[in-house]
Amino acid sequence: QQQVKQSPQSLIVQKGGISIINCAYENTAFDYFPWYQQFPGKGPALLIAIRPDVSEKKEGRFTISFNKSAKQFSLHIMDSQPGDSATYFCAPSGNEKLTFGTGTRLTIIP
Amino acid sequence: DAGITQSPRHKVTETGTPVTLRCHQTENHRYMYWYRQDPGHGLRLIHYSYGVKDTDKGEVSDGYSVSRSKTEDFLLTLESATSSQTSVYFCAISDSSTDTQYFGPGTRLTVL
Repeated sequence: QQQVKQSPQSLIVQKGGISIINCAYENTAFDYFPWYQQFPGKGPALLIAIRPDVSEKKEGRFTISFNKSAKQFSLHIMDSQPGDSATYFCAPSGNEKLTFGTGTRLTIIP
Repeated sequence: DAGITQSPRHKVTETGTPVTLRCHQTENHRYMYWYRQDPGHGLRLIHYSYGVKDTDKGEVSDGYSVSRSKTEDFLLTLESATSSQTSVYFCAISDSSTDTQYFGPGTRLTVL
């Protein structure tokens, strides 16, 4: 039972471009929608998160767009930089338990 | 790393041997979690704890047990390790007032 589907699996973006990663979920009980960033050899770290009462949240170059009716949310990285190269996970949550997507490996090329 | 340590950081063991991984936190957070990370699967929840001596199973709990006798320590035990348990194991903690989880540095376990 795959509750969370994340796409694409991998993404290559030129420096300065926009990176977009998508997440679709099935469980309507989810009430917290975070994106985690993981660098090689490290644990994941919270990047940005949204609650279902808003449709968009922006923090610097990172934006979450949330579509409750479609049960989808996405991460947009504006002006992508080589330091953004990492693996990104969506991990919607209900009752303090995260359900992770399979991850997107993002590579920013000069 | 939000006051979370994991030990050991690397371990190589043989099939059939018992293994215990330790997670220690200095944040006094109520919730603690054990995940495994494997290519193509993201992170999958093994067990979690919502207080001292209060634990529950996650998505992939078969072959694993946990114990939490103190707020700061959460132990993951593989009673008889198998090659399918070769993985990177992450501990995470959470303050019940938010859903944010803070992850430790991970333990790479290889079962030969």
